[in-house]
Amino acid sequence: KAGVTQTPRYLIKTRGQQVTLSCSPISGHRSVSWYQQTPGQGLQFLFEYFSETQRNKGNFPGRFSGRQFSNSRSEMNVSTLELGDSALYLCASSLAQGARNTEAFFGQGTRLTVV
Amino acid sequence: AQKVTQAQTEISVVEKEDVTLDCVYETRDTTYYLFWYKQPPSGELVFLIRRNSFDEQNEISGRYSWNFQKSTSSFNFTITASQVVDSAVYFCALSEAYYTGANSKLTFGKGITLSVRP
Repeated sequence: KAGVTQTPRYLIKTRGQQVTLSCSPISGHRSVSWYQQTPGQGLQFLFEYFSETQRNKGNFPGRFSGRQFSNSRSEMNVSTLELGDSALYLCASSLAQGARNTEAFFGQGTRLTVV
Repeated sequence: AQKVTQAQTEISVVEKEDVTLDCVYETRDTTYYLFWYKQPPSGELVFLIRRNSFDEQNEISGRYSWNFQKSTSSFNFTITASQVVDSAVYFCALSEAYYTGANSKLTFGKGITLSVRP
């Protein structure tokens, strides 16, 4: 069974540009969450999508957005990049079935560097 | 607001030693879930264990064991007979119990860097 796949693995962008990151969840998983990991702030929740709807959102500016497609694949977009957006962006998928609170399975992340 | 505190930042042990990683959490929810994840240098967060708030039974799984105590809001994780391959950053995490049952928003601690020396 394939795990969570994130593309690209590494990305270098210039300040002011925008970027789109992609996440393919584990087959059958309907919930996709995104996290930002930086040395200073640690792991922080960005948002979660379930059945193409954003169900929860963290405390990030509107420059951070996302979407989920009918096949559960998700993309996140960051517009007007700032140096502080340099981070490891992790995607997680979970089964989200019934009343079970299932564990999240993470991808290897996309390392974004803003110069 | 939820909060997870991992007071230890770095731990170094010699192979075969036992090591306990501490985790203290804060939440107003009466139903919640606790997790431990491991992050090797490759960057991927690897799920280790999960425990829900209404089950304080402590278990052992192979070389891993955990001690969940609601009275002290602690969820400590122990690795028995550590190995070099256990070297990684370990995160404790907390999630709310949504009515949907989805694990969608994890609050993480800052992580503990564990180094196991041969």
